[in-house]
Amino acid sequence: EVQLVESGGGLVQPGGSLRLSCAASGFSFSGYWMHWVRQAPGKGLVWVSRIINDGSGTTYADSVKGRFTISRDNAKNILFLQMSSLRAEDTAVYYCVRGFGWIPSPGTTSGFDVWGQGTTVTVSS
Amino acid sequence: QSALTQPASVSGSPGQSITISCTGTSTDVGSYNLVSWYQQHPGKAPKFLIYEDNKRPSGVSSRFSGSKSGNTASLTISGLQAEDEADYYCCSYGGSSTFVFGTGTEVTVL
Repeated sequence: EVQLVESGGGLVQPGGSLRLSCAASGFSFSGYWMHWVRQAPGKGLVWVSRIINDGSGTTYADSVKGRFTISRDNAKNILFLQMSSLRAEDTAVYYCVRGFGWIPSPGTTSGFDVWGQGTTVTVSS
Repeated sequence: QSALTQPASVSGSPGQSITISCTGTSTDVGSYNLVSWYQQHPGKAPKFLIYEDNKRPSGVSSRFSGSKSGNTASLTISGLQAEDEADYYCCSYGGSSTFVFGTGTEVTVL
C-alpha cells in the first residue's frame, strides 16, 4: 500500500524551531518529487515547498523562504521539513504529498496524488 | 503569489450538476495546462480528482470533469450525490517550480 506518514508536529513558541518527518512506503520514493502543503485551522490549502528526486533542487513559497528547509533521505525513504523562526501564522496541519506525473515543459509534476494524514504544528506562547 | 479565486460555496440537489470556477491570472492558470483539483472531507486529507486541466486519475468517478478557458478553470460534478458534500480546491502551476491553490469551495448537497 502506498503510504505517507508524517510526524514531528507539536506546540512551539514563536521564534522556535521544529523538524517534520514523513515516512514513505509502498512505492519507489527516490523516483518522485515530494512536496509539503499546509492548512491553517479553518482555512484553505497552501503549497509550501518541493524537492526533486535526488534532493538537488528545492523551491519554497515566499511566505517560508529563508525560514524553512526541505530535504530528503532516499536511503531511508524519509522527507523532512526543517522549520525555524516560527510565527503564529505558521500554525497549520502540514501534509506530506507526492508529486504526480511529469511535464517536460515547463519541467514539473502536474499534481499531487498521494497525501499523508497530516501533522499539526501550533506556534504559540 | 495570490491564491486562485473560487466561490465560497456552491449547492445543488441530488442528481443535479454543479460547476465550481477557479480564476487565476495569465501567469498561472492561463499560462499552463496544469490545473488540478482536490476534494477534502472534514478532518481528512485531500483527494486527487483532476490533473492537467481535464484528466482524471485512475479510480476517480467519471462524474467529475475539468475544463479551462483562459484564466478560469472549472470543475463540474454531475449526478450530484450526498457523498460529494465536501470542500474542493483547485491548484495551478505558478511557474518557477511553484504551485498556488485556490481559496476553496464548500459544496452542499441539498
